[in-house]
Amino acid sequence: GAGVSQSPSNKVTEKGKDVELRCDPISGHTALYWYRQSLGQGLEFLIYFQGNSAPDKSGLPSDRFSAERTGGSVSTLTIQRTQQEDSAVYLCASSTGGSLGYEQYFGPGTRLTVT
Amino acid sequence: DQQVKQNSPSLSVQEGRISILNCDYTNSMFDYFLWYKKYPAEGPTFLISISSIKDKNEDGRFTVFLNKSAKHLSLHIVPSQPGDSAVYFCAASVTGTYKYIFGTGTRLKVLA
Repeated sequence: GAGVSQSPSNKVTEKGKDVELRCDPISGHTALYWYRQSLGQGLEFLIYFQGNSAPDKSGLPSDRFSAERTGGSVSTLTIQRTQQEDSAVYLCASSTGGSLGYEQYFGPGTRLTVT
Repeated sequence: DQQVKQNSPSLSVQEGRISILNCDYTNSMFDYFLWYKKYPAEGPTFLISISSIKDKNEDGRFTVFLNKSAKHLSLHIVPSQPGDSAVYFCAASVTGTYKYIFGTGTRLKVLA
């Protein structure tokens, strides 16, 4: 598989629990993005990685959200003490560069449901 | 503050006719625009883009028009096919930045 993969595809968790979402970008892609799509909303930018560095974390909704990327490849998005408003589809995308004009390739997303 | 707006949540078009999807933006600094298509349970896939130095970009059945003075872009699909049924997102960005701002999407249904 040459595309962006995400796991799990679906996650149901109880309010207050921590969850970890994983993204495997396309090999060689240096830029990696996390987005969130809540019901009836557009794609909300969360965080961007260039290599292992995250130049801008301002899109993260609260300090319960964190993300890391290791080896310039796999990224994990962690949500601590989940709340019902965290329920959404979390999408990861990667591209060959971080600047304008580079097409982003999206994974299928992780649907998170917080009960 | 929604900087990129897609005011039509849904659109139905007969097969073979033209589909026109609209997108408005408020930030005059935006100078690069993209359209993505999304099928259920899949991630969005890139469709077509346009830079602000152009007012039209064409790729097969898909054409994007940009009206900078009106801060408006549109995606034309002609002829529309049932396989085009999907949610379409427009996105905008500023040259030199990495952040794309997405609209809320328009669900297109092409009727056979």
